[in-house]
Amino acid sequence: GAVVSQHPSRVICKSGTSVKIECRSLDFQATTMFWYRQFPKQSLMLMATSNEGSKATYEQGVEKDKFLINHASLTLSTLTVTSAHPEDSSFYICSARGAVSQPQHFGDGTRLSIL
Amino acid sequence: DQQVKQNSPSLSVQEGRISILNCDYTNSMFDYFLWYKKYPAEGPTFLISISSIKDKNEDGRFTVFLNKSAKHLSLHIVPSQPGDSAVYFCAATYNQGGKLIFGQGTELSVKP
Repeated sequence: GAVVSQHPSRVICKSGTSVKIECRSLDFQATTMFWYRQFPKQSLMLMATSNEGSKATYEQGVEKDKFLINHASLTLSTLTVTSAHPEDSSFYICSARGAVSQPQHFGDGTRLSIL
Repeated sequence: DQQVKQNSPSLSVQEGRISILNCDYTNSMFDYFLWYKKYPAEGPTFLISISSIKDKNEDGRFTVFLNKSAKHLSLHIVPSQPGDSAVYFCAATYNQGGKLIFGQGTELSVKP
């Protein structure tokens, strides 16, 4: 149980393109979803937290107009990287959680490469 | 400011022996700790957790120990198997459901 699906797994696109990443909880209702970013050889850094039907809460230093998050249902959240540039190239991972007492379950991540 | 630290980037263990992965934290407000396992090109997989009201939690071959006075936790894997080879992340949170703060990870290699 507790499967989280993230799509696509890899994206390569030109600078200036907007990229949408989907995160779905397949077998449970995700009250809260989280978006992380990981640079090579570094830890996962939380970008934002989203609760279904509410606006996302962004971590300090994360541009909310750059990284648009939508959590329209209990099983789907999307992250849109708008007008992506090479410095946005990274590994993005989502996680989902049902009840507050439950651990977060992660998707397999999206490798974003901006040329 | 790294609130959760895994000071060993890598660990190599012989199959059948014990693997001990360590994690230190600085924020005394943390009340819930988790260990995740990550294979390349995959997301982290939840392994085991522990609340700050406990000092030990066991699940099969995995045991997590918490020493609050030392702000230290460890993950023991006994016996270690080659399939355990992966990167292990410890994570901490407060108010249990809050955001996770991750360590940098330790790459475990279990040799046959």
